[in-house]
Amino acid sequence: NAGVTQTPKFQVLKTGQSMTLQCAQDMNHNSMYWYRQDPGMGLRLIYYSASEGTTDKGEVPNGYNVSRLNKREFSLRLESAAPSQTSVYFCASSGDSRKNTEAFFGQGTRLTVV
Amino acid sequence: DAKTTQPPSMDCAEGRAANLPCNHSTISGNEYVYWYRQIHSQGPQYIIHGLKNNETNEMASLIITEDRKSSTLILPHATLRDTAVYYCIVRGSFVALNFGKGTSLLVTP
Repeated sequence: NAGVTQTPKFQVLKTGQSMTLQCAQDMNHNSMYWYRQDPGMGLRLIYYSASEGTTDKGEVPNGYNVSRLNKREFSLRLESAAPSQTSVYFCASSGDSRKNTEAFFGQGTRLTVV
Repeated sequence: DAKTTQPPSMDCAEGRAANLPCNHSTISGNEYVYWYRQIHSQGPQYIIHGLKNNETNEMASLIITEDRKSSTLILPHATLRDTAVYYCIVRGSFVALNFGKGTSLLVTP
């Protein structure tokens, strides 16, 4: 079982460049999430999608956009990367965000903006 | 969702029980207590969750006080591979998990 797969695993961008982080899950989960983690910090929620066709802002949405392409895939886009967006990005999914089920996380995308 | 308070770090000898405390004094009646851990910057891993009864699974036990204002995660026989950051999260109506800084557990030989 692949679980939650993120691509790429590593990326270096120049300031102002754009890129899309991809996330796919094979567990037929309704809800998907994007978090970022800065050094020595806990995870902070960027955006989430409670179900296919819906997306909502989390704690730190500025500078990001998301697309819930279908039930399996949830992408995160940086339109104009800034050094402050250097971070590790985690995607997660869960069965139903309104029920108390566990969330599964990908292995992360390590992004450096220079 | 209610706020949680955890010690920033703890040590435990290998083979001994690791008891990780968490305070959540503002927890409300419909909020669950979740525990996750993160090993060396990997993606967080679910451990256990509960509402008011004590819970046990193959990884750990969760003890929630009767007033639900605090809880303890117990790893019964800690190994070196249990060295990780452990997050206590209270989750209710909001859909996503809110992570704090957690407790960095170091298991020593």
